[in-house]
Amino acid sequence: DIQMTQSPSTLSASVGDRVTITCRASQSISSWLAWYQQKPGKAPKLLIYKASSLESGVPSRFSGSGSGTEFTLTISSLQPDDFATFYCQQYTSYSGTFGQGTRVEIK
Amino acid sequence: EVQLVESGGGLVRPGGSLKLSCAASGFTFSSHSMNWVRQAPGKGLEWVSHISSSSATIYYADSVKGRFSISRDNAKSSLYLQMNSLRDEDTAVYYCARRGADHYFDYWGQGTLVTVSS
Repeated sequence: DIQMTQSPSTLSASVGDRVTITCRASQSISSWLAWYQQKPGKAPKLLIYKASSLESGVPSRFSGSGSGTEFTLTISSLQPDDFATFYCQQYTSYSGTFGQGTRVEIK
Repeated sequence: EVQLVESGGGLVRPGGSLKLSCAASGFTFSSHSMNWVRQAPGKGLEWVSHISSSSATIYYADSVKGRFSISRDNAKSSLYLQMNSLRDEDTAVYYCARRGADHYFDYWGQGTLVTVSS
């Protein structure tokens, strides 16, 4: 099974900061990677698919990059609405393994 | 508008059974693979099960294999998860999620809470 590892687990940042979250796959997944945002008590929301494609309606301050085994999610200027937990997910296989999550909190 | 609405969650004793449902609307249900994903309290997301659009292909996480059964009724635009031999560690919010054309999970339901406790 493909394992996904995110870092950091928690990130403290201020409004306006540039934030980067890293996701590593245990084997190559080409560009079959998605990023989700989840707020407390809510379902995950798709942000990025195919490693770098922005889902419709998602603000352009979110961007994704990478291929193979190394991926990043970048928020160019953190906004108050962005404080949440972010998950990466590989979908090259039927299982769709998730990373353990990165919580972005207010500094 | 795509909508996925889960139901059927609740409190069940260890060893008991429960059947979850997910009612889909706003899209051609029979054209999409569907999945169940769960989230234990305070924990991350865990993929549970996958079913292809025609039910020809079904997969389970090792943690639920042999105890859970996924199914769908395309005529009713509904997805199901039959959960048997429930354990404490199955306590979680269970989400149904649609796989988009490129197989990422593009729409999620609001979730239904399953609590396994004596």
